Amino acid sequence: GQQLNQSPQSMFIQEGEDVSMNCTSSSIFNTWLWYKQEPGEGPVLLIALYKAGELTSNGRLTAQFGITRKDSFLNISASIPSDVGIYFCAGQVRAGANSKLTFGKGITLSVRP
Amino acid sequence: DTGVSQDPRHKITKRGQNVTFRCDPISEHNRLYWYRQTLGQGPEFLTYFQNEAQLEKSRLLSDRFSAERPKGSFSTLEIQRTEQGDSAMYLCASSFRRPGTGAEETQYFGPGTRLLVL
Repeated sequence: GQQLNQSPQSMFIQEGEDVSMNCTSSSIFNTWLWYKQEPGEGPVLLIALYKAGELTSNGRLTAQFGITRKDSFLNISASIPSDVGIYFCAGQVRAGANSKLTFGKGITLSVRP
Repeated sequence: DTGVSQDPRHKITKRGQNVTFRCDPISEHNRLYWYRQTLGQGPEFLTYFQNEAQLEKSRLLSDRFSAERPKGSFSTLEIQRTEQGDSAMYLCASSFRRPGTGAEETQYFGPGTRLLVL
């Protein structure tokens, strides 16, 4: 099935560094969401974006909805060890009955103390 | 708000057996979604309900899979004659969708049920 493009598969950073993750699609989405998943758990919502060009922050996290509606990025500032996990982007068409989420493969983030 | 809950959290079964999973959504959420996630992949959509009505089913949902939401609250996902390829994490999510098209809607996930078919 269709998936959003997230790369690289893994990222390794030093505690205190900023990190940016990008997500791209060949299709337009009307909603972009970023989730974090830890081993054995379900995805936890970090940020939801509903308008093209929107820039939204949640603590040390900032995410933007691309103008073309085909991409989004997530930035984490001043990383800490508990930021470790898998970060997924998800897109939603949000038209009529079509409200399923389409996910990327995720980026595994490791933070070195 | 207790969040989305799923039961059981883990299930080990033998090939050919039937299994049933339960999802309890966030109260007053009218939409409930099922996704499947395999190792190294993002969740993939299976099906969703608005209240009692099943509005969309993925091609991933073979004839051996059936989902219900009889009273518009909790939902069950049953897999009949399980196969080793059914081994995955089964995730449930719920949301509230206001009437009308284009309404904003955010899906919140439960902890998942991890299925292992031997």
